Amino acid sequence: GAVVSQHPSRVICKSGTSVKIECRSLDFQATTMFWYRQFPKQSLMLMATSNEGSKATYEQGVEKDKFLINHASLTLSTLTVTSAHPEDSSFYICSAMENRGGYNEQFFGPGTRLTVL
Amino acid sequence: DQQVKQNSPSLSVQEGRISILNCDYTNSMFDYFLWYKKYPAEGPTFLISISSIKDKNEDGRFTVFLNKSAKHLSLHIVPSQPGDSAVYFCAARAGGTSYGKLTFGQGTILTVHP
Repeated sequence: GAVVSQHPSRVICKSGTSVKIECRSLDFQATTMFWYRQFPKQSLMLMATSNEGSKATYEQGVEKDKFLINHASLTLSTLTVTSAHPEDSSFYICSAMENRGGYNEQFFGPGTRLTVL
Repeated sequence: DQQVKQNSPSLSVQEGRISILNCDYTNSMFDYFLWYKKYPAEGPTFLISISSIKDKNEDGRFTVFLNKSAKHLSLHIVPSQPGDSAVYFCAARAGGTSYGKLTFGQGTILTVHP
């Protein structure tokens, strides 16, 4: 149980195009999902908190118009990188939070490698 | 401002020996700490966690120790196995309005030699 999937696993796009990444909780409902970004040999940096049915909360320094987040259902959150540029190339990871016995546990997706040419 | 720090970028250990990975934090609002294992191009996998009300938690070969006064935690793996080779991240969580958000350290690459 507690499986989180991401699609696509890898995407290459041209500069200026938009890319959508999906994050799904396969066997549980997640009112809260998180989006992280990881640069090579660096830590996972939280980008935003995605709440079902409401606007996402972005971390300081993250452009909300650049990284659009939509949490349309209890099992799906999407991250759209708009007008992508080479500096947006990174590894994007989502996580979904599940309430287990009174406490919340996060489960991570396998990540999406974005390369912008 | 790096609130969670893993000062050792890498650690090399012989199979069967103990691996000790360290993590320091600065935010006194953190009340829950987690360790994750991560392979390249994959998402982190949860290993073990500890609440700030405890100083030790054990799960099989993995033990996490928390020293609140020093704002330091460590992960002990014994005995170490080649399959343990991966990047290990410690993460911390605060309560209140930040509930659920994780702050990660930079990671430590563990290599276990046969």
